[in-house]
Amino acid sequence: KQEVTQIPAALSVPEGENLVLNCSFTDSAIYNLQWFRQDPGKGLTSLLLIQSSQREQTSGRLNASLDKSSGRSTLYIAASQPGDSATYLCAGGGANSKLTFGKGITLSVRP
Amino acid sequence: DAGVTQSPTHLIKTRGQQVTLRCSPKSGHDTVSWYQQALGQGPQFIFQYYEEEERQRGNFPDRFSGHQFPNYSSELNVNALLLGDSALYLCASSFGGGWETQYFGPGTRLLVL
Repeated sequence: KQEVTQIPAALSVPEGENLVLNCSFTDSAIYNLQWFRQDPGKGLTSLLLIQSSQREQTSGRLNASLDKSSGRSTLYIAASQPGDSATYLCAGGGANSKLTFGKGITLSVRP
Repeated sequence: DAGVTQSPTHLIKTRGQQVTLRCSPKSGHDTVSWYQQALGQGPQFIFQYYEEEERQRGNFPDRFSGHQFPNYSSELNVNALLLGDSALYLCASSFGGGWETQYFGPGTRLLVL
């Protein structure tokens, strides 16, 4: 059974800082790894998808990496802005594309 | 492109009642997955529909059932509501069985009193 962990649960950083959000998973037989953003009371916005054959994906100031052997993924946010404040969730894609989510990391970027 | 839409946005029910939630997938998508997100938790997989059939089911009781229509839209039904069913219900759509990016709707907030 896949388990996904995100630590810490919350993070507060000053504006402009580069930061890394961590995600770990127990089953290395992962098909893909997806990072999402969730604003309070809202649905999920897809940020990046990394297929199991890939090592990383980039979109603007975001870069996500995947290391299946160590069971880890990271989301790197460059030059953080107050608008980046949200909860970030990672999810491992398993058989039949079922997503297993972590509990998320609530990020606060201070102006 | 309207993206994934869900209705209603909010719903209040009492214990024992039944509820139906609806989801329209993103244009061109044929796969719909449903998730339950309790407050402060990550979403939990309920089930997935592809080609009008339930393809996989998470650890949810039979009170949770669903359907996918020929136009790929989907319904989630919950019978005999419990207080613990209060949550945000999210629908995700994708193409070809969900191996590509899954796009989520805004969710339906269900409160059971």
